[in-house]
Amino acid sequence: AQTVTQSQPEMSVQEAETVTLSCTYDTSESDYYLFWYKQPPSRQMILVIRQEAYKQQNATENRFSVNFQKAAKSFSLKISDSQLGDAAMYFCAYRRFGNKLVFGAGTILRVKS
Amino acid sequence: ETGVTQSPTHLIKTRGQQVTLRCSSQSGHNTVSWYQQALGQGPQFIFQYYREEENGRGNFPPRFSGLQFPNYSSELNVNALELDDSALYLCASSLSRTSGSGELFFGEGSRLTVL
Repeated sequence: AQTVTQSQPEMSVQEAETVTLSCTYDTSESDYYLFWYKQPPSRQMILVIRQEAYKQQNATENRFSVNFQKAAKSFSLKISDSQLGDAAMYFCAYRRFGNKLVFGAGTILRVKS
Repeated sequence: ETGVTQSPTHLIKTRGQQVTLRCSSQSGHNTVSWYQQALGQGPQFIFQYYREEENGRGNFPPRFSGLQFPNYSSELNVNALELDDSALYLCASSLSRTSGSGELFFGEGSRLTVL
């Protein structure tokens, strides 16, 4: 069974600084998708960024980028120029088929002004 | 475009009771999935519905059941509630059951407390 591990229960970053959230996963598949979701106090999961495993190029979305290391099964999220609105719980997730996402336990990100 | 809406937002039940949670999928989305998120944990996949048929199930007992209606809205039913069923229940919809990298759109969830 696939598993997703987020080893940082909580992280803090100063406003305008850069922070990296870690994620590792375990799968025997070669074709899959990886995601980072943000869950603010409003509880609604919001997609931050996605990565197709067959693509070697790391995904970027504005201030958000990933470091995807397929051989190491690592998928970290870098947030540049952190803003107060980035404070939330961040989940790393794996997906092979359908709507079944396998989530990690999450990392709470606190942004200090 | 209407997003995913869930009801009720909060509810309290006692052990042994039954509960029904409802979800309206985003306009045009034919696939709905349900997740259970215990406090301080990541969501866990319960099951998925595609065109009114269950189309994948996670490691949850049969007392967790669901329905999808012709308009693609969905219900999650939980019978014989246990204390451990206390959680946030999230509904997500998408355009297709195998949308690969396609985005899932989540609702804000229903917070269930079992006393």
